Amino acid sequence: AQSVTQLDSQVPVFEEAPVELRCNYSSSVSVYLFWYVQYPNQGLQLLLKYLSGSTLVKGINGFEAEFNKSQTSFHLRKPSVHISDTAEYFCAVIKTNGQNFVFGPGTRLSVLP
Amino acid sequence: KAGVTQTPRYLIKTRGQQVTLSCSPISGHRSVSWYQQTPGQGLQFLFEYFSETQRNKGNFPGRFSGRQFSNSRSEMNVSTLELGDSALYLCASSLAAGSYEQYFGPGTRLTVT
Repeated sequence: AQSVTQLDSQVPVFEEAPVELRCNYSSSVSVYLFWYVQYPNQGLQLLLKYLSGSTLVKGINGFEAEFNKSQTSFHLRKPSVHISDTAEYFCAVIKTNGQNFVFGPGTRLSVLP
Repeated sequence: KAGVTQTPRYLIKTRGQQVTLSCSPISGHRSVSWYQQTPGQGLQFLFEYFSETQRNKGNFPGRFSGRQFSNSRSEMNVSTLELGDSALYLCASSLAAGSYEQYFGPGTRLTVT
């Protein structure tokens, strides 16, 4: 079975500061990795995904993530956050042979003015 | 192209009642997955339907059921509602079964009193 850990339940950061949201996973089989964002009263929006190839993945809204196989991590970063980045962020994995997503518990990012 | 539509957006029910939620996938998508999101348990997979057949099921009691119609629209039903069923129910559609390219709807917020 797969599991996803997001160590930080809440991350407050000032506007224009950098941020890193941490994600670690465990799986006995190959997985694909994803980051989703959820704004209040909305569904999930895909930020970025890692399927294969370069371990540094760039996504929408200036976010990027780096896949580290040895540390089984997929941390999300943004060099300069905006107030509009305030949302909940979910890391997720799915088996490469396809099935359902397994999501982490989420990290609530609060960007302060 | 229209996104995933979920109806109703908000619902209030009483313990013991039953409820039916609806999801219309993106045009051309044939797979629909359902997820339950609660503050305590996070995002959990309920089931996936593809071509009117349940392909995969999460670890939920039999009170939770679903179906898919020939036009790929899906409904999920929860019988004998419990307070713990209060949650945001998210639907995701994809072209094929087990696809990692899933597009989420805005969700239905169910409150059980």
